[in-house]
Amino acid sequence: DGGITQSPKYLFRKEGQNVTLSCEQNLNHDAMYWYRQDPGQGLRLIYYSHIVNDFQKGDIAEGYSVSREKKESFPLTVTSAQKNPTAFYLCASSPHGGNQPQHFGDGTRLSIL
Amino acid sequence: QKEVEQNSGPLSVPEGAIASLNCTYSDRGSQSFFWYRQYSGKSPELIMFIYSNGDKEDGRFTAQLNKASQYVSLLIRDSQPSDSATYLCAVTDTNAGKSTFGDGTTLTVKP
Repeated sequence: DGGITQSPKYLFRKEGQNVTLSCEQNLNHDAMYWYRQDPGQGLRLIYYSHIVNDFQKGDIAEGYSVSREKKESFPLTVTSAQKNPTAFYLCASSPHGGNQPQHFGDGTRLSIL
Repeated sequence: QKEVEQNSGPLSVPEGAIASLNCTYSDRGSQSFFWYRQYSGKSPELIMFIYSNGDKEDGRFTAQLNKASQYVSLLIRDSQPSDSATYLCAVTDTNAGKSTFGDGTTLTVKP
């Protein structure tokens, strides 16, 4: 059954710590995206990638980093430079970048200890 | 001004009524428009997409697009309590290959 798998479901970060959120898809999609959602707000784009080994900053990339070494995988690292990391993080994919709808994973909730 | 604005909620309608959700966008170059439904604590799921001016119907849902007015809407007919959720409007810049989301409108359908 194809889909997007995000892990872990819940994550706690200590001050000064980097944490990595996993996103894996078996839909054979070229494009992948990371969003952040704060309570009562919409989705804000962190990073996106349309092809392996290439990615672009979104609207709120500061304090985050990504890699796209494999088509199926697009991990997001929340660095210690991100001072307010508590949020719901959503990974999405689409067949190609552009005008196609996105499919979302179940999300990771990140909190500060 | 936000790039994508949705009518402020929450919106409450009785069961069986029509729910109307509205969205305006600022980028005239936008070419693709999506409505996602998000239940509390869950991830968004696609409801409708529309690319051309006019109406697009899928079951109880109708998406309407007016590019001249930079306006897209979602109508839900015969609203059901299970339609109670937050509805997110997303507008895509096809050239950049990325979407901008509105803050969402929360709909409550009362039995």
